[in-house]
Amino acid sequence: NAGVMQNPRHLVRRRGQEARLRCSPMKGHSHVYWYRQLPEEGLKFMVYLQKENIIDESGMPKERFSAEFPKEGPSILRIQQVVRGDSAAYFCASSPDSTYEQYFGPGTRLTVT
Amino acid sequence: EDQVTQSPEALRLQEGESSSLNCSYTVSGLRGLFWYRQDPGKGPEFLFTLYSAGEEKEKERLKATLTKKESFLHITAPKPEDSATYLCAVQANSGYALNFGKGTSLLVTP
Repeated sequence: NAGVMQNPRHLVRRRGQEARLRCSPMKGHSHVYWYRQLPEEGLKFMVYLQKENIIDESGMPKERFSAEFPKEGPSILRIQQVVRGDSAAYFCASSPDSTYEQYFGPGTRLTVT
Repeated sequence: EDQVTQSPEALRLQEGESSSLNCSYTVSGLRGLFWYRQDPGKGPEFLFTLYSAGEEKEKERLKATLTKKESFLHITAPKPEDSATYLCAVQANSGYALNFGKGTSLLVTP
């Protein structure tokens, strides 16, 4: 049973470009969570989605960030007009239900130059 | 506001030297407390979930315990391959997010 898959694993963007991060949950999991890990800081929750629905986006910055989990295909975290402060590791997690433990992917390391 | 504090920040042990990591938390209604292991450059790996005070879970050299205010991760006779950052997180009844501590970086030397 494949785990949570994320791609790309490493992404370099220049300031002002767009970053698109993809996450495929574990088989049988329909709940997806995105977290961000800044250098020297802990993991911070960003958004929780189910298929075609955003359930909780309380941790998402108000501007430039958006997330989706379409009926078909992976979940996408999009960052528009990236700035240097967006450089971080972005992790996706999935679970079969909101009350179960969350299983994390390997992360996408975004570097903004 | 939910808060998770882990101590110590870093811990160095000799192989075979048992110790405990601490996770203190405040949360308005605990749904679950989670322990993860994270190796450099990788995603967190799930270890345990604890739901109520008094609960204990074990896996190989690791044992997690829970009280109403804190959780301990006991490491018995650690080996170098146990070296990693150990993360504690809480989930409140009212939400879905995991609220993580900053972790304890464990180094086990031969």
